[in-house]
Amino acid sequence: DIQMTQSPSFLSASVGERVTLSCKASQNINKYLDWYQQKLGEAPKLLIYNTNNLHTGIPSRFSGSGSGTDYTLTISSLQPEDVATYFCLQRNSWPRTFGGGTKLELK
Amino acid sequence: QVKLLQSGAALVKPGASVKMSCKASGYTFTDYWVSWVKQSHGKSLEWIGEIYPNSGATNFNEKFKGKATLTVDKSTSTAYMELSRLTSEDSAIYYCTRSRGGYSRAPFAYWGQGTLVTVSS
Repeated sequence: DIQMTQSPSFLSASVGERVTLSCKASQNINKYLDWYQQKLGEAPKLLIYNTNNLHTGIPSRFSGSGSGTDYTLTISSLQPEDVATYFCLQRNSWPRTFGGGTKLELK
Repeated sequence: QVKLLQSGAALVKPGASVKMSCKASGYTFTDYWVSWVKQSHGKSLEWIGEIYPNSGATNFNEKFKGKATLTVDKSTSTAYMELSRLTSEDSAIYYCTRSRGGYSRAPFAYWGQGTLVTVSS
């Protein structure tokens, strides 16, 4: 199985700050990488698919990049409603595997 | 709009089975893959498997083969997952999801609200 490692596990940032979350795959996943946001007590929500495509209705302050084994989610200007845990998911091969998550909080 | 409505929480005894449902609305049920995802308390997510309602084709995480059975009822646009021989390790929230496109490799664009399963005697 492809292992997905997210860093950091926990991040504290201020409103308006630029935030970068990382996800590293144990092998090349050919940009089949998604980012999901999960707020407390809610189901995950798709933010970005195929590395850099914004899902419908997602604010443009979210963006993604990467290739090969290394991928990044960037929030250009952190908002209070962005407090959540963020998961990456690889869909290059079965089984689909998620990263362990990055918990993002406000400073 | 697309909605996935999952069945309510279940408290089940060790060794028993549980069957949960995921009722879809707002789209053509047979056109999109349905995946199931497990989230153990406070932990990350695990993909269990997926089913294509049109044909009944399935793909599974090897870890959940023999544990999970996926079925659909096209007449009611409902997907089901049955978990067997339950242990405390199966206590978790289980989500159903719908793919963004009509192909197996599509991202999980829509999620149900989750079904909490608690295994306890």
